[in-house]
Amino acid sequence: GQNIDQPTEMTATEGAIVQINCTYQTSGFNGLFWYQQHAGEAPTFLSYNVLDGLEEKGRFSSFLSRSKGYSYLLLKELQMKDSASYLCAVFNQAGTALIFGKGTTLSVSS
Amino acid sequence: GAGVSQSPSNKVTEKGKDVELRCDPISGHTALYWYRQRLGQGLEFLIYFQGNSAPDKSGLPSDRFSAERTGESVSTLTIQRTQQEDSAVYLCASSQDRESSYEQYFGPGTRLTVT
Repeated sequence: GQNIDQPTEMTATEGAIVQINCTYQTSGFNGLFWYQQHAGEAPTFLSYNVLDGLEEKGRFSSFLSRSKGYSYLLLKELQMKDSASYLCAVFNQAGTALIFGKGTTLSVSS
Repeated sequence: GAGVSQSPSNKVTEKGKDVELRCDPISGHTALYWYRQRLGQGLEFLIYFQGNSAPDKSGLPSDRFSAERTGESVSTLTIQRTQQEDSAVYLCASSQDRESSYEQYFGPGTRLTVT
């Protein structure tokens, strides 16, 4: 089966850097995803990692280590609008849908 | 439309009643997914459509839940004899095809409250 763990809450200040960790256990790995979800809104796609290493997209970067079952999302130059839940997800065994963690709620203060 | 739309946005129903939730995916997207998000919980996968077929319905929690898709477009999720534990936000997502399922576009969701 699949299991995903990520911290429930994190806080940070504007301009800082924050790293949100995710560990996963899955039978048959087909990629790891990060989604952002603002309160009351739909999740939006941030990143997809299928190979080990760091993928950078502007202020956001995502890292994957398949051997360790570990990923992190790195947010730089934090802005107030980055306050949201960040959801880590992997494909289900059939590769047909995403299995999500419970999400990490990030609060950015000034 | 430009994105995935869902209706209604909010639904309050009495325990025991049936409800229908609708999803309009992005035009041309052949893959469609339903998820459920209970308060304070992560998203739970319910069912996946490729075209009008549902090759994976493993996430449907009970036989009270069913879904269909027609015209490779609109999908309806039906919950019969609703229970209070069905209260959640029901999210629909679509992707261009199965190979693009790594990038799913979510609708705004339907918030279902069962009283």
